[in-house]
Amino acid sequence: DQQVKQNSPSLSVQEGRISILNCDYTNSMFDYFLWYKKYPAEGPTFLISISSIKDKNEDGRFTVFLNKSAKHLSLHIVPSQPGDSAVYFCAASAGFSNDYKLSFGAGTTVTVRA
Amino acid sequence: GAVVSQHPSRVICKSGTSVKIECRSLDFQATTMFWYRQFPKQSLMLMATSNEGSKATYEQGVEKDKFLINHASLTLSTLTVTSAHPEDSSFYICSARFYNEQFFGPGTRLTVL
Repeated sequence: DQQVKQNSPSLSVQEGRISILNCDYTNSMFDYFLWYKKYPAEGPTFLISISSIKDKNEDGRFTVFLNKSAKHLSLHIVPSQPGDSAVYFCAASAGFSNDYKLSFGAGTTVTVRA
Repeated sequence: GAVVSQHPSRVICKSGTSVKIECRSLDFQATTMFWYRQFPKQSLMLMATSNEGSKATYEQGVEKDKFLINHASLTLSTLTVTSAHPEDSSFYICSARFYNEQFFGPGTRLTVL
């Protein structure tokens, strides 16, 4: 049962433009959400996170938006750079109540065109 | 940021042998470590949760006798794939929890011939 869904397997964007990655979840117990970036044959690298008490968190070129009522979050990358080409995973946690386990989406492969 | 290492990064073994993978948190203590498995072009699937000083908790469908996990200290967890078979070939990734976040190791590519 996929509790975290990334419905777009791939995204192609021109350098300098905005990349928008979407993620939906079904478990209302999730209270912490994270985005990870992953290159092939490497472990995921933490990008940005957001707690359920917030609706926006910004860190440099990366902004995560959370819409709790819609159980939806998105990651905005602006401006997109060639080095951003990677697979991006959305993850969610129910915190202490579930041993801080992370549920991952299937990932979105981002390709930034020069 | 927090650093997690894994060793080895790549291992090739014969069918029937056992392989041990180490996961270390280098600059922080992790009471909880997690082991994941990733198939090509798929998401990370949680295999087990490893708490220091206690038995690991395995996810449904993961054979605990095949995937032995030991969390002997606050900075080291090991995953042993026992009697490995070709279907165990995969990318294994560990993570260490620090407060609300998990920091991931670089992964281990296991190929069973």
